[in-house]
Amino acid sequence: AQSVTQLDSHVSVSEGTPVLLRCNYSSSYSPSLFWYVQHPNKGLQLLLKYTSAATLVKGINGFEAEFKKSETSFHLTKPSAHMSDAAEYFCVVTTTPTGNQFYFGTGTSLTVIP
Amino acid sequence: DAGVTQSPTHLIKTRGQQVTLRCSPKSGHDTVSWYQQALGQGPQFIFQYYEEEERQRGNFPDRFSGHQFPNYSSELNVNALLLGDSALYLCASSFWDPNEKLFFGSGTQLSVL
Repeated sequence: AQSVTQLDSHVSVSEGTPVLLRCNYSSSYSPSLFWYVQHPNKGLQLLLKYTSAATLVKGINGFEAEFKKSETSFHLTKPSAHMSDAAEYFCVVTTTPTGNQFYFGTGTSLTVIP
Repeated sequence: DAGVTQSPTHLIKTRGQQVTLRCSPKSGHDTVSWYQQALGQGPQFIFQYYEEEERQRGNFPDRFSGHQFPNYSSELNVNALLLGDSALYLCASSFWDPNEKLFFGSGTQLSVL
């Protein structure tokens, strides 16, 4: 079975400080992992994707994530938060042999304090 | 290049009614998936269509049904609406390939009164 656990429902950081959003996954197969961001009243946007290539994945807007198989983790980081980063972030796993059914975490709401 | 488009953006229905939501995939995509996002939750997979057939289904009752047309667009139908069906319904399109990334529409906000 596949699932993800986002360890923090809310994270607050000051503008210019680092961001860390934590995600642990469970998978019966070699997983593909994603981070999506959802701004209010907007659709989900892909930040980055891991599919068994490099374990450190770089995404858009300065975000990156590191796949750690031994820890079954895929944490999202950014060196310096910007006000525009305030949004809901979802960690996603998919490992179906056919098709692409995504399993979403419950989300982490990121607040950036000016 | 238009992305994934959904209609309508908002919908209000009463219990017991039926509703149809529509989705046009991103140009070139042949696979459409539907997700339900309840308030404060992550999206949950409803089903996926490819070549006009339902290929995968999540843990949703038969009241939820769908269709894919030859032009790859899709509909989600929900019968006998319940209050608990109130949610944001998201359509996502992709190529038919395991682990391929999904492109999401902005969703249809359904309110059941």
